[in-house]
Amino acid sequence: QPVLTQSSSASASLGSSVKLTCTLSSGHSSYIIAWHQQQPGKAPRYLMKLEGSGSYNKGSGVPDRFSGSSSGADRYLTISNLQSEDEADYYCETWDSNTWVFGGGTKLTVL
Amino acid sequence: QVQLQESGPGLVKPSETLSLTCTVSGGSVSSGSYYWSWIRQPPGKGLEWIGYIYYSGSTNYNPSLKSRVTISVDTSKNQFSLKLSSVTAADTAVYYCARLGGYYFLDYWGQGTLVTVSS
Repeated sequence: QPVLTQSSSASASLGSSVKLTCTLSSGHSSYIIAWHQQQPGKAPRYLMKLEGSGSYNKGSGVPDRFSGSSSGADRYLTISNLQSEDEADYYCETWDSNTWVFGGGTKLTVL
Repeated sequence: QVQLQESGPGLVKPSETLSLTCTVSGGSVSSGSYYWSWIRQPPGKGLEWIGYIYYSGSTNYNPSLKSRVTISVDTSKNQFSLKLSSVTAADTAVYYCARLGGYYFLDYWGQGTLVTVSS
């Protein structure tokens, strides 16, 4: 099964940009992942699907400030022009052999 | 737009069975294009996938929970359900239902319901 590794926390200033990373385990570097945002006290929200090529497809209503990219086993979520409402936990997700796994999540603080 | 809503008891005693239902609106559980899933999140922790069901009744479960989990579907009510047996305090969590959409990712989530296991 793939393992997804995320940094536990990140911070950036209001109006700046931040790049969050999700790393796929060895042997799974080609896998497609999804990114989800979980604001405090709320359910997760699907942001996008992200391929190893860097191609991504966003969910309905996801602002243009959110984008994705990839390099090797790393999958990135970039948030530009950070807003206060972007302060949240961000999880990556993937699946293999009919089993779904999540990364441990990154808590983003907007300063 | 698809909406999902979890319902069920918020308190379950140890060793008993946790039972939750997810009601789907704005879409049909009978659609052959999607699978329907349960995920949980212990307080202050990350997400754990529990399992999924297809409208035909075909299921697949997290190996770590497989011996205690049953997911079923009621197409007449546009609902699917979760049963988790022999619960302990470790099963205390917010339980979410969600749709496995295009590319088999979780694209629509319910608001979640907190289930506490305590005597």
